[in-house]
Amino acid sequence: EVQLVQSGAEVKKPGESLKISCKGSGYSFSSYWIGWVRQMPGKGLEWMAIIYPDDSDARYSPSFQGQVTLSADTSISTAYLQWSSLKASDTAIYYCARPRLKGGVPNYFDYWGQGTLVTVSS
Amino acid sequence: QSALTQPPSASGSPGQSVTISCTGTSSDVGAYNDVSWYQQHPGKAPKLMIYDVSKRPSGVPDRFFGSKSGNTASLTVSGLQAEDEADYYCSSYAGNNNFFGGGTRLTVL
Repeated sequence: EVQLVQSGAEVKKPGESLKISCKGSGYSFSSYWIGWVRQMPGKGLEWMAIIYPDDSDARYSPSFQGQVTLSADTSISTAYLQWSSLKASDTAIYYCARPRLKGGVPNYFDYWGQGTLVTVSS
Repeated sequence: QSALTQPPSASGSPGQSVTISCTGTSSDVGAYNDVSWYQQHPGKAPKLMIYDVSKRPSGVPDRFFGSKSGNTASLTVSGLQAEDEADYYCSSYAGNNNFFGGGTRLTVL
């Protein structure tokens, strides 16, 4: 059974750094892309970025380019989303999900993690 | 601002059918058969319901039907059940980027 298990909720202050994780199991982690989706409080879903764990090839949505960094550690089947300097506007639930590609381009997410709530407040 | 436009709400009585639209442009929905739909219950992660416009993943009831005409994709839920009450999001590839719609809250009356 494919599972994506995310790290727990975080409360941070503006300007602090943060790295949240997503551990995959039940499939060959290094052979499938992993993506991240943001959901701000009471709002809709936003496509952030995806990474291919085997070679760390990462593709960012223009809205998130330069704002976050993706990484992955295939030895422990875990993907990461990190911020170097958080802002209050980063407060959201962040989901990891497994995107399926068609013709080399992202198509849909077939499996989702449970979400990680990140709260940034002074 | 969503690149894909969905109505904020939709509703129907148990047993009825309801259709949710997802309007894009000739650069996204109209250009690619890469439309997917997700169901999200409150406090839960989204769940894939439809991909490639009209394909259902294993385990999704055939009451859920996806289609597309021009720049507009649609999700039809027939035989509405109480458990179908949720938020629904469409998504499409748009050439070097992917977008979600703003979401539609489906209420079962």
